[in-house]
Amino acid sequence: AQSVTQLDSQVPVFEEAPVELRCNYSSSVSVYLFWYVQYPNQGLQLLLKYLSGSTLVKGINGFEAEFNKSQTSFHLRKPSVHISDTAEYFCAVKTSGSRLTFGEGTQLTVNP
Amino acid sequence: EAGVAQSPRYKIIEKRQSVAFWCNPISGHATLYWYQQILGQGPKLLIQFQNNGVVDDSQLPKDRFSAERLKGVDSTLKIQPAKLEDSAVYLCASSSPGGGGETQYFGPGTRLLVL
Repeated sequence: AQSVTQLDSQVPVFEEAPVELRCNYSSSVSVYLFWYVQYPNQGLQLLLKYLSGSTLVKGINGFEAEFNKSQTSFHLRKPSVHISDTAEYFCAVKTSGSRLTFGEGTQLTVNP
Repeated sequence: EAGVAQSPRYKIIEKRQSVAFWCNPISGHATLYWYQQILGQGPKLLIQFQNNGVVDDSQLPKDRFSAERLKGVDSTLKIQPAKLEDSAVYLCASSSPGGGGETQYFGPGTRLLVL
């Protein structure tokens, strides 16, 4: 069975600073990896996903993530954050035929 | 394109009462999921339908939770009787069938408080 660990439960940053949200996964087979964002009182929205191919994945709102198989990581990055990026971010892993498994989430708070 | 619709958005009930949630997936999406998201945690899959058949309900507490998708479109999730620990957000999602990496599209959720 696969699992996901999000290494930081809360990440406070200042506006226009860079940010990295860390995610590690565990699986014995090939994986699909996802980052979702959840704004207050809303459902989850897909930011980006890795299925295969290039290990650098670009998503919406200027976010990108890098798949690192040797370190079993899929960290999310943004070079310059905005106040509107304040939200909960979830990393998720799936294998073919399995359910989507989410991490516990990272609350990103962008301060002025 | 309309997104996933859910109702009600909020529900407050007393323990041992029953409650039902409704979901309408994105048009044409054959796969429908119900998730439970407890405060401070990631969503956990309760049940997955492919058309009107159950694909995965291994994490559904079947003594009190039930779900149906009779015509392969809308779905209803029911809790009877509710417990305090059922307080959570119930999220519905849908997707088109794929090879495993398909995107799931989420509705806004129903926030349940059990007193």
